Amino acid sequence: GEDVEQSLFLSVREGDSSVINCTYTDSSSTYLYWYKQEPGAGLQLLTYIFSNMDMKQDQRLTVLLNKKDKHLSLRIADTQTGDSAIYFCAEIDPSGTYKYIFGTGTRLKVLA
Amino acid sequence: DADVTQTPRNRITKTGKRIMLECSQTKGHDRMYWYRQDPGLGLRLIYYSFDVKDINKGEISDGYSVSRQAQAKFSLSLESAIPNQTALYFCATSSGQGNEKLFFGSGTQLSVL
Repeated sequence: GEDVEQSLFLSVREGDSSVINCTYTDSSSTYLYWYKQEPGAGLQLLTYIFSNMDMKQDQRLTVLLNKKDKHLSLRIADTQTGDSAIYFCAEIDPSGTYKYIFGTGTRLKVLA
Repeated sequence: DADVTQTPRNRITKTGKRIMLECSQTKGHDRMYWYRQDPGLGLRLIYYSFDVKDINKGEISDGYSVSRQAQAKFSLSLESAIPNQTALYFCATSSGQGNEKLFFGSGTQLSVL
C-alpha cells in the first residue's frame, strides 16, 4: 500500500537553513503538499507542488521534487524560532478517491 | 471566527462511555474528513464524506461512526470508548475542485481512562 516516510526530528540553529525530507510511494500523485502544525493547532497548508514541476520557491520556502527517486524536500531559509513546528508531507491517493496520505511528520526544533 | 470549528477542544472520559465529537464549517465545502493523530504515526483517516448522502470508511474506522447532519456538520462518535482511542482528533474540509487543499479545525484532545 501507499506509504509516505519522513524522519521524526530535526534540530537547527536560528538563522541556518532547514531541510525536511520525504519519500513517497506513488509516482502518479498529481500534487504533493507540505503542511505545518504549530503547537496546539490544526494543520495549515504551507505549500504544494504540482507533479510536473521540479522546484517551487515561495519566499523562504523551496520545495524540490525528484520524481525518479520519489523524493520531496522542503527547505526553509534563515530558519526562525517561529518555524518550530511539525511538518507533514502528503500526497493525494491517485486512485481517484482524493484521499490524502500523510507522512509521519517531522518535528523541527529551532535553537536560539 | 474559525472556518472549521471542533467541539469540545478537550475531553476526558472513561472506558465504555459514548462520546461524540462535533465539527462545523463555514467554508461551504462539500467534503469533510475525520483524522486521528498519534505521535510518530502521522494522521490516519477515520471516515470521510464527499456530500451529505455520502459516507466512506477510512483506514481505521473500527470503533467509530459518523453522521453528516448537513453540508456544514460532520460528527464523529465513539460508541464505547477504549483507552487506545486516546488521541488528537482533527476534522478537515476540502472543496472537491482541482487542487484538494485541506482546511483543518484546531483539534479535539480525547483521553480515555
